[in-house]
Amino acid sequence: AQTVTQSQPEMSVQEAETVTLSCTYDTSENNYYLFWYKQPPSRQMILVIRQEAYKQQNATENRFSVNFQKAAKSFSLKISDSQLGDTAMYFCAFMKIWRGYGGSQGNLIFGKGTKLSVKP
Amino acid sequence: GAVVSQHPSWVICKSGTSVKIECRSLDFQATTMFWYRQFPKQSLMLMATSNEGSKATYEQGVEKDKFLINHASLTLSTLTVTSAHPEDSSFYICSAKLAGVNIQYFGAGTRLSVL
Repeated sequence: AQTVTQSQPEMSVQEAETVTLSCTYDTSENNYYLFWYKQPPSRQMILVIRQEAYKQQNATENRFSVNFQKAAKSFSLKISDSQLGDTAMYFCAFMKIWRGYGGSQGNLIFGKGTKLSVKP
Repeated sequence: GAVVSQHPSWVICKSGTSVKIECRSLDFQATTMFWYRQFPKQSLMLMATSNEGSKATYEQGVEKDKFLINHASLTLSTLTVTSAHPEDSSFYICSAKLAGVNIQYFGAGTRLSVL
């Protein structure tokens, strides 16, 4: 079974600075996806960034980038130039690529989350 | 694109009544929809997975007779909490996935309060 571990329950960062959130996972699969989702106080889950395991290049989305270390099963999220609107719970998630009848099932396995506070 | 609408956003009901929550994919056809439950300050717990036209697959420990899931079309899935009790009070979130695209898009969630 796959597991996702986020070892930092809470973090804080000053506005405009950089912060890194850690995530490790355990799987015997070779092909999978990894995600970072953000859940602000509104509780709407928002996709931040996605990484395909077979791609060595780290994914980037504007101020958000990941450090994907497949051998170490590590998937950290770096937020540059932090903004007040980045304040949220951040969840790391794993998706096994399963192709049964009808196509990929796509279940997500979430970590426990990291509460990030950006301070002015 | 990829908008998922969930309704209602908040519902209060009396113990013993049933509550239906709707999840709609507005601009894409969702072959698979997922239902999650989230307790305060905790992560999302997958309750069940539903494929259009098929019976839902429930996670271990989730009572299928209590949490009825219907996925009658490619754009609509419903979760009905039957004979609700105070312990069913929680935040329920749906998500939808398009076949061949390995991304789940989430609804805004429904806060259920059972008195």
